Amino acid sequence: DAGVIQSPRHEVTEMGQEVTLRCKPISGHDYLFWYRQTMMRGLELLIYFNNNVPIDDSGMPEDRFSAKMPNASFSTLKIQPSEPRDSAVYFCASSQTGSAGPTDTQYFGPGTRLTVL
Amino acid sequence: SQKIEQNSEALNIQEGKTATLTCNYTNYSPAYLQWYRQDPGRGPVFLLLIRENEKEKRKERLKVTFDTTLKQSLFHITASQPADSATYLCALVKDSNYQLIWGAGTKLIIKP
Repeated sequence: DAGVIQSPRHEVTEMGQEVTLRCKPISGHDYLFWYRQTMMRGLELLIYFNNNVPIDDSGMPEDRFSAKMPNASFSTLKIQPSEPRDSAVYFCASSQTGSAGPTDTQYFGPGTRLTVL
Repeated sequence: SQKIEQNSEALNIQEGKTATLTCNYTNYSPAYLQWYRQDPGRGPVFLLLIRENEKEKRKERLKVTFDTTLKQSLFHITASQPADSATYLCALVKDSNYQLIWGAGTKLIIKP
């Protein structure tokens, strides 16, 4: 298995531009998570999906952020308009419901390093 | 508020010694706890999971303990090697919403 795939790996954009991050989870996994990691705040859960349905988006910082999962093999995280404070590494992770619940083990992608100038 | 604390300062250990990392939490009764390893420029990688009714879990040179009275988990690496150098994150799960709450991580440096 190729693992969780994210694209792009690096994104540099200017303030006000729209940014779209993409994720392909591991085949057969029914949970997908979007995280943001910064030095100041560490790893923060933004939103997670179960069987393509958003379950909890309470971590999404504001209305500028949106996420979709149109099918089991693809998800996007969109920021519109982007701001310099959105600069961070964004991780996608997937998991399969196990004996310890839906977060038995999370498999992370390599992340997208976003820089907003 | 819920809080997870890991040593913010880097931990320097001599090769061959046992490295012990600490994860403390407050205002929380987690159903289980996980430890992950993160290398620079990469996503976290799952290492071990321990449930609230388990005291200890082992995997090769790794050992995790979970003390729900002290609200603390210890992560041990025995016979440490320079390749064990990384940042180690602990994460807790409440059984109510299945969200993982993450610690900030501890950077471990194993010196040859």
